[in-house]
Amino acid sequence: DAGVTQSPTHLIKTRGQQVTLRCSPISGHKSVSWYQQVLGQGPQFIFQYYEKEERGRGNFPDRFSARQFPNYSSELNVNALLLGDSALYLCASSLNPAAGQGSTDTQYFGPGTRLTVL
Amino acid sequence: AQSVAQPEDQVNVAEGNPLTVKCTYSVSGNPYLFWYVQYPNRGLQFLLKYITGDNLVKGSYGFEAEFNKSQTSFHLKKPSALVSDSALYFCAVRPRGSASKIIFGSGTRLSIRP
Repeated sequence: DAGVTQSPTHLIKTRGQQVTLRCSPISGHKSVSWYQQVLGQGPQFIFQYYEKEERGRGNFPDRFSARQFPNYSSELNVNALLLGDSALYLCASSLNPAAGQGSTDTQYFGPGTRLTVL
Repeated sequence: AQSVAQPEDQVNVAEGNPLTVKCTYSVSGNPYLFWYVQYPNRGLQFLLKYITGDNLVKGSYGFEAEFNKSQTSFHLKKPSALVSDSALYFCAVRPRGSASKIIFGSGTRLSIRP
């Protein structure tokens, strides 16, 4: 089976622009999470979506938004890009996070999208 | 504040020797614990997780991790290192009651010399 896929692989934007990143989960997985990994740091949680609803949000500004589609794929949008938004953006999928409860579900990560803001 | 600490930025080990990558956490309750590995220009790959039960968890590629509740640690271990184990390793925790948020450590670069 195919793993988590993300597109594009690399992206270069300038300050103030907007960007859309895409993610397709593992077949059968209904939950998608987004993470930002700045060089030299661990991933930071941005969003989780399950069944097309937002189920968790990290400490990121409103410039960051996301959505999940009926086929469980997801998009992450970032508006008004800043230099500090340059990072590897990772998508992870899991089966069923059982929102509101402790979940043992493992998250499986895609290869990421490398965003460079100039 | 909830956090995960990986006190060593880099660990150097000779091939064939045992390795340990350290992780401690500060999270209330009994969180779920994970280890991931990241190879250059790749996403994170799942290695193992601790949910409950036996404190020694076995995972992929011969790795194992030991959970110590009193020391709030979850150290990653392997009895005999391979050059191909060289990569960036991340410890992560998910607080119970959180369906979504996973907190990652800053990572430890493991370098195995032939």
